[in-house]
Amino acid sequence: DIVLTQSPGTLSLSPGERATLSCRASQSVSSSYLAWYQQKPGQAPRLLIYGASSRATGIPDRFSGSGSGTDFTLTISRLEPEDFALYYCQQYVASPFTFGPGTKVDIK
Amino acid sequence: QVQLVQSGAEVKKPGASVKVSCKPSGYTFTDYHMHWVRQAPGQGLEWMGWINPNSGGTNYAQKFQGRVTMTRDTSISAAYMELTRLTSDDTAVYYCARGATTTGTKRGFDFWGQGALVTVSS
Repeated sequence: DIVLTQSPGTLSLSPGERATLSCRASQSVSSSYLAWYQQKPGQAPRLLIYGASSRATGIPDRFSGSGSGTDFTLTISRLEPEDFALYYCQQYVASPFTFGPGTKVDIK
Repeated sequence: QVQLVQSGAEVKKPGASVKVSCKPSGYTFTDYHMHWVRQAPGQGLEWMGWINPNSGGTNYAQKFQGRVTMTRDTSISAAYMELTRLTSDDTAVYYCARGATTTGTKRGFDFWGQGALVTVSS
């Protein structure tokens, strides 16, 4: 199974600041089948990024994804108040389609 | 617009079974795999498996093998996830989520149901 590790566990930032979230895989994620999701309390996850760097429909361009192989990054260029949430990475190259443990972005 | 509507909350006793439904709309049901993901209270996301609504083929996470069954009814465009021999550790929100096309295009899980809370308690 591919194990995903996310860092940091919590990121405390202010609105307007840049957020950089990391996701590392235990083995190479081929074809960059790596996705990022945002989840707010009481809500279902929302797809932000697929294919490591493609924004899903309707996702603002302040969200960007990069990386390949085993190291991936989600960047939020300027945090808006609605961006404070939990973020998960997921690999969907092979079953089981594992998720990382999440990074919480909270208000400093 | 694409929507996935799930059945409501359930309370079950240990040892019982639960069956959660997911009824998508806004796209052709048989064109996309349907995945099931669960989230225990305060915990992360756990993938359980998928079903190909076109063929009925399934793929389950090893952890749930023997306890989970995913089915579909193409006549009403609905997917189901049944989990048996419930314990308190199965208390969670269960989500359905649309995955890859059945022809192989993968773009993550792009639409999710609202979730169904299953509580297992004596």
